[in-house]
Amino acid sequence: GESVGLHLPTLSVQEGDNSIINCAYSNSASDYFIWYKQESGKGPQFIIDIRSNMDKRQGQRVTVLLNKTVKHLSLQIAATQPGDSAVYFCAEIMNTGFQKLVFGTGTRLLVSP
Amino acid sequence: DGGITQSPKYLFRKEGQNVTLSCEQNLNHDAMYWYRQDPGQGLRLIYYSQIVNDFQKGDIAEGYSVSREKKESFPLTVTSAQKNPTAFYLCASKDPTNTEAFFGQGTRLTVV
Repeated sequence: GESVGLHLPTLSVQEGDNSIINCAYSNSASDYFIWYKQESGKGPQFIIDIRSNMDKRQGQRVTVLLNKTVKHLSLQIAATQPGDSAVYFCAEIMNTGFQKLVFGTGTRLLVSP
Repeated sequence: DGGITQSPKYLFRKEGQNVTLSCEQNLNHDAMYWYRQDPGQGLRLIYYSQIVNDFQKGDIAEGYSVSREKKESFPLTVTSAQKNPTAFYLCASKDPTNTEAFFGQGTRLTVV
């Protein structure tokens, strides 16, 4: 299970499995929610976004689900590959008028061959 | 090639000294950001800027300062008032009409 604290929660899966990474957000007024992938020693890379008035969006091998009722965001990765191993962060663009981009607690995904 | 460049990659600072981290982008982005990342943790927002000559404090601005004199540049100064400055610092830029932020490769600052 996940926990909020000083260390990142970890999800371990086998190659070929589907992965689901979860995120809880706090600001109901955010315009967009985004998922980023960060490999060791590098900056995060954009994966997919979803507008706040949507509940699902699909990309290539990834799907993002947004449940505004419980303030929950998830990233589903189909047929997980070893190259998917990284830390995944959810982020939100807050509608403060200043493009404030804040990140949530990350999840480390470990994919075993 | 368009991109965002942070320098230096590694930086060592003595206690009590100020140090400035460079961030330059040639993506013509209006918005720029500075984040701090500690080992095994997420990204925390230090400062952000939506336009030249304007910037806002993020969630952990104390002990840091920035300037935005040019669109391409958003340097971060870590002052001696920052009590625990050892961390990985990430700079990002974004077009305000887009959701995708582009990150630099980061600067790892160590206080010795």
